[in-house]
Amino acid sequence: DAGVTQSPTHLIKTRGQHVTLRCSPISGHKSVSWYQQVLGQGPQFIFQYYEKEERGRGNFPDRFSARQFPNYSSELNVNALLLGDSALYLCASSPTSGRGIWELFFGEGSRLTVL
Amino acid sequence: AQKITQTQPGMFVQEKEAVTLDCTYDTSDPSYGLFWYKQPSSGEMIFLIYQGSYDQQNATEGRYSLNFQKARKSANLVISASQLGDSAMYFCAMRPPDRGGSNYKLTFGKGTLLTVNP
Repeated sequence: DAGVTQSPTHLIKTRGQHVTLRCSPISGHKSVSWYQQVLGQGPQFIFQYYEKEERGRGNFPDRFSARQFPNYSSELNVNALLLGDSALYLCASSPTSGRGIWELFFGEGSRLTVL
Repeated sequence: AQKITQTQPGMFVQEKEAVTLDCTYDTSDPSYGLFWYKQPSSGEMIFLIYQGSYDQQNATEGRYSLNFQKARKSANLVISASQLGDSAMYFCAMRPPDRGGSNYKLTFGKGTLLTVNP
């Protein structure tokens, strides 16, 4: 079974540019969450989407936005990139019902470097 | 607000020995859940174990067990019979109460880097 897949795996941008990160959840998972992990820190919650609706938002500026598509895949968009946006961006999907309801399955992340 | 504290930046253990990774938490909600995740150098977060706040027994998953002491607000991870492949970052995390939304807004600690020596 395919796990959570994220693309691209690595990317380099310059300040002021825009970036789009993509995530495909595990088949059957309807909830997708995004996390930012700065080097040396634990992941920080950015967004959660369930059934294409935003269900939660972390303490991030409006430059960060996301959406979920009918097939439950998701995009994270970051505008006007700053040096501090350099991080590993993790996507996680969740079953939302049944056994393992609380388990988040993470992808390997998209490593963004802003120069 | 929920908070997770991991006070051990790094831990060393000999292969085949047991090791305990510390985690304390703070929340005012009576309902919550606690997780441990492993993050190897590849970056992927691997789920290890989950404990609900109302679970009567400590959670166990193979070589992993969670020592849940609710009154002390601690949720330590015990790894038995350490293996070289256990070398990685370990994160403790907490989820908020199930109120029909943001159930997967996890709060993570800063992590503990575990090194298993041969």
